[in-house]
Amino acid sequence: RKEVEQDPGPFNVPEGATVAFNCTYSNSASQSFFWYRQDCRKEPKLLMSVYSSGNEDGRFTAQLNRASQYISLLIRDSKLSDSATYLCVGSNYGGSQGNLIFGKGTKLSVKP
Amino acid sequence: NAGVTQTPKFQVLKTGQSMTLQCAQDMNHEYMSWYRQDPGMGLRLIHYSVGAGITDQGEVPNGYNVSRSTTEDFPLRLLSAAPSQTSVYFCASSYSLAGPYGYTFGSGTRLTVV
Repeated sequence: RKEVEQDPGPFNVPEGATVAFNCTYSNSASQSFFWYRQDCRKEPKLLMSVYSSGNEDGRFTAQLNRASQYISLLIRDSKLSDSATYLCVGSNYGGSQGNLIFGKGTKLSVKP
Repeated sequence: NAGVTQTPKFQVLKTGQSMTLQCAQDMNHEYMSWYRQDPGMGLRLIHYSVGAGITDQGEVPNGYNVSRSTTEDFPLRLLSAAPSQTSVYFCASSYSLAGPYGYTFGSGTRLTVV
């Protein structure tokens, strides 16, 4: 089982829509979680960290549910510039991996 | 600009050739890593380093070598290129192994092995 799994998408939404991405992780020891954004043919860039208390950055809200091992990202009032692939990321501590584990990504396309 | 610098940006190799992908960061990060990204596979960890002189294998290390002689540099060597190594390679660095600051990525190297 892949350690971080995401909705495969693609999500095609009109401008101004609210869209939510979901992600589950299998390693209950994971401590840190992130959402990354990756534009076509570019490197991944950190969008936001995810905390148990939830956190918000402008139109973006991230939530973490440790009991269900579930992470979400909510984008309100979608813009054309939000079109990208969104990567859900969890950490492992210890072991041979001991790194960030990336989901395969969910593609978002915002249409006029 | 501070960040992670990867060279070259593009490379075409013939099967059996060797080459080194360069990665340098100027943020004094202890942690550096190499990922490859293939369609439908996501980012997969090749090798990583938690400091100068210390390296370890990731998920897909076969066919690749690394060394970390300085904090700034973390080159990735392909020993004998194979078509299966055609991919986009990303180098990343961070203050810590697994958060809480996330990783900063270089712009990538697109490698084609023919």
